[in-house]
Formats: sequence, C-alpha cells, structure tokens
Amino acid sequence: EDKVVQSPLSLVVHEGDTVTLNCSYEVTNFRSLLWYKQEKKAPTFLFMLTSSGIEKKSGRLSSILDKKELSSILNITATQTGDSAIYLCAVCPRGAQKLVFGQGTRLTINP
Amino acid sequence: EAGVAQSPRYKIIEKRQSVAFWCNPISGHATLYWYQQILGQGPKLLIQFQNNGVVDDSQLPKDRFSAERLKGVDSTLKIQPAKLEDSAVYLCASSPGRAGYTFGSGTRLTVV
Repeated sequence: EDKVVQSPLSLVVHEGDTVTLNCSYEVTNFRSLLWYKQEKKAPTFLFMLTSSGIEKKSGRLSSILDKKELSSILNITATQTGDSAIYLCAVCPRGAQKLVFGQGTRLTINP
Repeated sequence: EAGVAQSPRYKIIEKRQSVAFWCNPISGHATLYWYQQILGQGPKLLIQFQNNGVVDDSQLPKDRFSAERLKGVDSTLKIQPAKLEDSAVYLCASSPGRAGYTFGSGTRLTVV
C-alpha cells in the first residue's frame, strides 16, 4: 500500500526563523511528489517534483526531491506569521491520477 | 477561470441522518475526486471519476456512502446513515489530466 509520512507533525517557531519540513514515501511506482499549503479548508498547490536533486523555488519557499532516499524537504526561510498553516505532502503513483497524502505538518509562526 | 465549487460549506446533522454534498468542477476537467479529511489527518481519497465513470472507489465505505457524477460534470456525495466518525471535511477536486489538481473549499460535516 502506498504510504506518505511527514515530520514533524507540529512545529512552532518565531517569525524570521527558517524551517525544514520532511516527507518520506513508499509508493509502488512513483511519478511525482507534491506539496500543498492548507490554511482553512482548500489545499493550495506549492510545488510538484518529479526529478531528483532539482530544487524548485518560489520566493522564500523551496523544495527538493531525493528519489534515492524516497524523501523530500520543504524549506521556508525568513518565516512570517502568514506562513502558519498545515503543509501537506502527497505522492502521485504512475498510472494513476490520485494523490496519496501524508498526515501533514502543522506549522505555527509566532510574532 | 472559475474554481471548483462546493456546497454547503458547513453541515451539522445527527447520527443516523442522511446528508448530501455537491461539487461543480472546473469546466472541461474530466477527472473529479472526493477526498475525506478527518481532523489531524491528511486527505484520503474516497472516489475518483473519469467523466461519468468510476475509476477508483476502493476506499469508499459503500454500505453508507454513495457518489454519482451525472453527465460527467457535477457530482454528489451522499452519506446514509451518518456515523459520528464521518465528521470531517469533504474536499472535491478536479483535474484536466496528468497534473493540475484544483481543490474546492470543502464542506465541513459535523455529526452529533
């Protein structure tokens, strides 16, 4: 069964800190890994990663995939209170369009 | 482009009652998904439609949950009868194909 595990489950930091969120996966036939930010109900798309070692970057957020280690990290630098959210990692198996999600990391940024 | 529309936004029902949720995907998106997200967990796929055919419903509790997608556009998800453990956010998403999931804002169901 395909599985995604995220760590930590919860993280509280101060504004300005840098955080690293982790995602590891077991999937029969990997196609892609996606990161989402969930503030209220609808997850919003951050990154899709398919190739190992290539960093994707958007402003203060960046992510990289390590296919050898079956993992990915999401980095947020110079955190702001608006970064407070649940960050979800999901994998998409090859041959299927569904997403298998991890349990999420709840990130809280204190001013 | 208009997003994925869901209604209602919130619903509170008593256990053993029935409830239905509605989803209107982005125009032209052939694939539609219903996910269940229990508090503190990630979303779990309940059912996936390709046009109006079911692709994957392996995790749908078929004794109480049902879903349909009429004419390959709108979809409804029904729970009958509801149990306390069905309390969750029900997310609808649509996709045009290989990539590009868009989620709706979800329906928060509370079963008391």
